[in-house]
Order: sequence, then structure tokens, then C-alpha cells
Amino acid sequence: DVKVTQSSRYLVKRTGEKVFLECVQDMDHENMFWYRQDPGLGLRLIYFSYDVKMKEKGDIPEGYSVSREKKERFSLILESASTNQTSMYLCASSFVRITSGNTIYFGEGSWLTVV
Amino acid sequence: DQQVKQNSPSLSVQEGRISILNCDYTNSMFDYFLWYKKYPAEGPTFLISISSIKDKNEDGRFTVFLNKSAKHLSLHIVPSQPGDSAVYFCAARHNAGNMLTFGGGTRLMVKP
Repeated sequence: DVKVTQSSRYLVKRTGEKVFLECVQDMDHENMFWYRQDPGLGLRLIYFSYDVKMKEKGDIPEGYSVSREKKERFSLILESASTNQTSMYLCASSFVRITSGNTIYFGEGSWLTVV
Repeated sequence: DQQVKQNSPSLSVQEGRISILNCDYTNSMFDYFLWYKKYPAEGPTFLISISSIKDKNEDGRFTVFLNKSAKHLSLHIVPSQPGDSAVYFCAARHNAGNMLTFGGGTRLMVKP
């Protein structure tokens, strides 16, 4: 059974803190993604990675960075958390080409509240 | 500018009736479209998809229609059930094939 595991489901952090969100996949997927979900805005792509140490900015990369040191792990970093980064964060992984809905897999999400 | 739009943020339907969720897109390079269902505090789960070379795809109670000339697709759920109550996201794949662009979502509420 394919798994995309996000290490923290619920976090509360203070403004200005550095925050790490971790994601691990067990399917040897090349691609990994970080999205954030906000009401009315859907899922917006923050960053994606198509290989180890490779990354591409998505639609809303400001205030975020990522790290992919190993193929199975993709980390999202908030260098200095702000209240407008309170959101649900979703990690996903896929093979190089998304050929169907069953070739991209999502984690269960991480709820981050910044106070 | 949003390339995939779901203009109805919410929809309420009586159990047993048809639910129709709509999605519009602007990018002609999208070649594959998907619908996802999402419950609170869970990741999205894949529901149904359609290639741009087709105009209809059916899977049980779920049918997706694609009108390529209008850049419009819709998801029909017949009959609707209370368990269908969730947020539905439309997504589109660029023909490069390596990522999805999502719409804003429609919250469907099916009343018993």
C-alpha cells in the first residue's frame, strides 16, 4: 500500500519561529510536492522537486523553502513563521509523469497554526 | 490568475437527486483532468478523470463531462448520498505531465 506520510498532523507555532514540515514517501517516486489548502483558494503549489537536491518554485513560494536530500523525503521549511501561513499543508508524490489519478498520492495533511 | 476555476464555493442537494459540480479552465495546454474528493483533516482522494480526447467518462454514480471548446468540465453524481458531502476539487494536468493545477474547490452538502 502506497504511503505518503506527513510527520506532524497538528502544530501550533509562534510568529517568528522556524518550522519544519516533513514528508516521506515509500514508492520511489521522482516527484514530490508541497501544497497549501485555504478555503476558496483550493490547493496551491508551494514547491515541487523532481529529483534529489532539485527543486522548482510553485505558485506561492514566498516565505518558504524546501529540502530534498534523499529521494523519499521532502521537507518544507518556514524560516520565520507568520500568521498568514496558518493553513493546511499537503504533501504529494508521483512518478515523473502523472498518467492517472492513481499515480499521484497525497498525505493526510498537516494543520499549522501560527499565533 | 487562476487557470482552473470552480465558481461555486458550495452546493446543497437533497439525497437521491443529482449533484452537478462545474469547473472552467483557461490553459489550452491542459490535456488531462481529474476530480478529487476531500474530507476535513484528510488528504484528497482521487475520484474520476478524463482525457482531453474524450468528452465523457463514467464510473458508477460519477460521470465527468468535458466540453473542450468551452474549456469546461462538470462532475455529475447520481444519485447523491449523504456520504458524498465533502469538498470536491477539479484538477488539470499540463501536457508536460508532471504536475497538477487545482481549482478552488466546491463544498457539497447532501441533505438526508
